[in-house]
Parts: sequence; C-alpha cells; structure tokens
Amino acid sequence: DAGVIQSPRHEVTEMGQEVTLRCKPISGHDYLFWYRQTMMRGLELLIYFNNNVPIDDSGMPEDRFSAKMPNASFSTLKIQPSEPRDSAVYFCASSSSPGLAGGPGELFFGEGSRLTVL
Amino acid sequence: GNSVTQMEGPVTLSEEAFLTINCTYTATGYPSLFWYVQYPGEGLQLLLKATKADDKGSNKGFEATYRKETTSFHLEKGSVQVSDSAVYFCALSPYTGNQFYFGTGTSLTVIP
Repeated sequence: DAGVIQSPRHEVTEMGQEVTLRCKPISGHDYLFWYRQTMMRGLELLIYFNNNVPIDDSGMPEDRFSAKMPNASFSTLKIQPSEPRDSAVYFCASSSSPGLAGGPGELFFGEGSRLTVL
Repeated sequence: GNSVTQMEGPVTLSEEAFLTINCTYTATGYPSLFWYVQYPGEGLQLLLKATKADDKGSNKGFEATYRKETTSFHLEKGSVQVSDSAVYFCALSPYTGNQFYFGTGTSLTVIP
C-alpha cells in the first residue's frame, strides 16, 4: 500500500518566493497533520485537519503560512513570502479516527520535504 | 495540559550495549503512549505503543512499559546494533481525539 506521499522532497528557493508543499495522505485516513522539524525546535505541529476541516492551526508561525485540504486525498502548505528562518524539514502525517476501543489511530509520516530558503 | 519530556542526547553506545532512553509525560486522563523512530533522511515511523497502564509495548527488541504511578514510558533494548542508530521520539495522544504530542527526540549512535 502507498504511504503518505509528499512533494517535493527537496526545495531550494530565494527569500521572498512562494513555496507550496504537497501531501497525499493514506486512503481512508480522516486526520492529516503538518509538522515542521528543525534542529533548534525539534518537531512542531503546525496544523491538523479532520475530514478536510482545519481543527487546530495554533502552531502556524504567522500569516505567511497557510494550509488547505480541498479534498480527502490532497493537502497543501504554502509559505508566502518565504524567509531563511523557514528552512526546515516539513512532514505530513495522516491517521484514522480512534476506534471503538478508544485511543488514537497510528500516525503515519511521509518522508518529508526539505526546504532551504536562501 | 499534555506534554512529553525526553532524555536529551546525543547518546553514543558501543554495539551490544544496553540502552535506556527516559521519557516522562504530563497528561489529563489516560493517554496512549508511543515511541517513534526516525532513520536518517526518513520520516518518523512507529516503533511501539502502549494504550493503558502497565501495558508493555515491544518491537525489534525494544521495550517500554506504561507506568502510570511514575508517569513514565522509558525505552529499553538489551543489546543495540549499529542499525539502531536513529533519532527516537516519545509521544502521547490523549484518550479522546487524535492529537499527538512529541518529545524533542534523542539521537542514538551505535558504534561497532
């Protein structure tokens, strides 16, 4: 089965440019998460969706960041304009709803998009 | 609130040494607890989990026991291999909802 698919794997851009990261979650999963990983701050949750609806975007750093999920099989994270401090690895992850026994579904991560802003 | 505190690294061990990575948590209610592993250049993947007190999660020789009385979920392995070199993340998820809270990660390097 295909896992979480992210693109691009690597992106190098110049300060001020728009960056769009893409994610295709695992089919049937109804939760989608965007994380950012840096050496300084570790793994940070940016935003997550349930059934395509944003539930918590309190981790989004500022208005330059936006995320959308137009349908169950696609999500984007956009940075406009980009800045050097946005350089990081951005992960998308998906999971399914808690089952009848309770407890969360397993979180599956994509391989990440490494962004470098010069 | 919910949070995870993880032993800081980096940790360097010789092959076949015993490994312990400490993890403690703060949570409301009865969370599920996880260890995720990240190999170089890859995303995180689930290593093991425990969903209630006194449960022991195990996988690939790694073990962790959910200790409610000490709010801990320490990761252990009796004999590490070079291939275990990776970053290990402790995480929790509340009983209700699907949000995950991760620790800062502990880098492990195993030398031959």
